[in-house]
Amino acid sequence: DIQMTQSPSSLSASVGDRVTITCRASQGIRNYLAWYQQKPGKVPKLLIYAASTLQSGVPSRFSGSGSGTDFTLTISSLQPEDVATYYCQKYNSAPLTFGGGTKMEI
Amino acid sequence: EVQLVESGGGLVQPGGSLRLSCAASGFTFSSYAMSWVRQAPGKGLEWVSSISDSSDNTYYADSVQGRFTISRDNSKNTLYLQMNSLRAEDTAIYYCAKARGSNIAAADNYWGQGTLVTVSS
Repeated sequence: DIQMTQSPSSLSASVGDRVTITCRASQGIRNYLAWYQQKPGKVPKLLIYAASTLQSGVPSRFSGSGSGTDFTLTISSLQPEDVATYYCQKYNSAPLTFGGGTKMEI
Repeated sequence: EVQLVESGGGLVQPGGSLRLSCAASGFTFSSYAMSWVRQAPGKGLEWVSSISDSSDNTYYADSVQGRFTISRDNSKNTLYLQMNSLRAEDTAIYYCAKARGSNIAAADNYWGQGTLVTVSS
């Protein structure tokens, strides 16, 4: 099975900072990669699919890139409401594995 | 408005069974793949199982293969997860999620609020 490794596992940054989270697949998954945001006590929310396509309604400060095995989620200017845990997920084929998560703090 | 409402969670003894349901509304249920994703207390997200739009294809995580069964009733707009031989490590919030497409090769763009399953004696 393909493993999904996220780094870092936690990240502390300041409002306005540009932050980047990395997700690495143990084998190529083309662009079948999604990013989710889960705020404390809330349900996960889809941010990006197909590695770089922004889900409708998601602020444009979020962006995704990558293909194959290496992917990144970037927040161009961190906002207080971005405090959350971020997960990547592969969905090219089962199992639809999630990464371990990156906890974002201000 | 898309709505996914899970039910059926609760406290069950090890070795017991539960059936979760997810009532869907606000979209053409029969056109989309659906999944169950769980989250143990204080832990990350774990994919559990998925089913294609017409039930032709079902998929399971190794951790639940042979114990859990996913199904759907498109006439009732409802997704199910039959969970047998439950273990303490199955304790989690179980989320129902709708895929963006008819098969599993699509991210999940809507999630329910979740239902808590606790396996304990």
